[in-house]
Amino acid sequence: QSVLTQPPSASGTPGQRVTISCSGSSSNIGSNYVYWYQQLPGTAPKLLIYRNNQRPSGVPDRFSGSKSGTSASLAISGLRSEDEADYYCAAWDDSLSGPVVFGGGTKLTVL
Amino acid sequence: QITLKESGPTLVKPTQTLTLTCTFSGFSLSTSGVGVGWIRQPPGKALEWLALIYWNDDKRYSPSLKSRLTITKDTSKNQVVLTMTNMDPVDTATYYCAHRPPGVAAAAEFDYWGQGTLVTVSS
Repeated sequence: QSVLTQPPSASGTPGQRVTISCSGSSSNIGSNYVYWYQQLPGTAPKLLIYRNNQRPSGVPDRFSGSKSGTSASLAISGLRSEDEADYYCAAWDDSLSGPVVFGGGTKLTVL
Repeated sequence: QITLKESGPTLVKPTQTLTLTCTFSGFSLSTSGVGVGWIRQPPGKALEWLALIYWNDDKRYSPSLKSRLTITKDTSKNQVVLTMTNMDPVDTATYYCAHRPPGVAAAAEFDYWGQGTLVTVSS
């Protein structure tokens, strides 16, 4: 069981906006930055969002991150078929669970 | 540009020790703030962080696997080595190494990843 909790699945149609949640605690999300990773089928994970809401160079602005308290969210607007992937949140954890913890991942399906 | 590549055995027997090497280029592990981490992913399952080594040789381990893991670096060879003892079939996974950039100290940030190497544990 993962320290960070994500819904196992999410879905949307092309053009829609979808959000993926990530729930943690005061020792991880509540006191540290949240990171999001995208893993396309058969490939290595890719950093999608860093420091809660920053996009690395090359990541479209359709992807956005936010954080409030001990929860975080990844939003994808203008959904495209190539966004179909697994998405993972991660954070530093100051407790005995850490120091690096991942969520269980959310499989996004573009209908 | 930064690249990383994992190497090691594809098949190990239960109770054996696994040794994986991450060979990287495009950065130096002697640069302040830089680190290299190991993350694994069992088939069809989630990512699991294993270990992290920093430029100053500070090492961090997953609490649940700490007794079985050792991470070391060879700065001159641009390599990081992970050993995991007493391998079990449940350790079957793709093992990734990844670059941790300098910046925020307490950060689960890995901006470049290797392609991963699948390790199967079976007799």
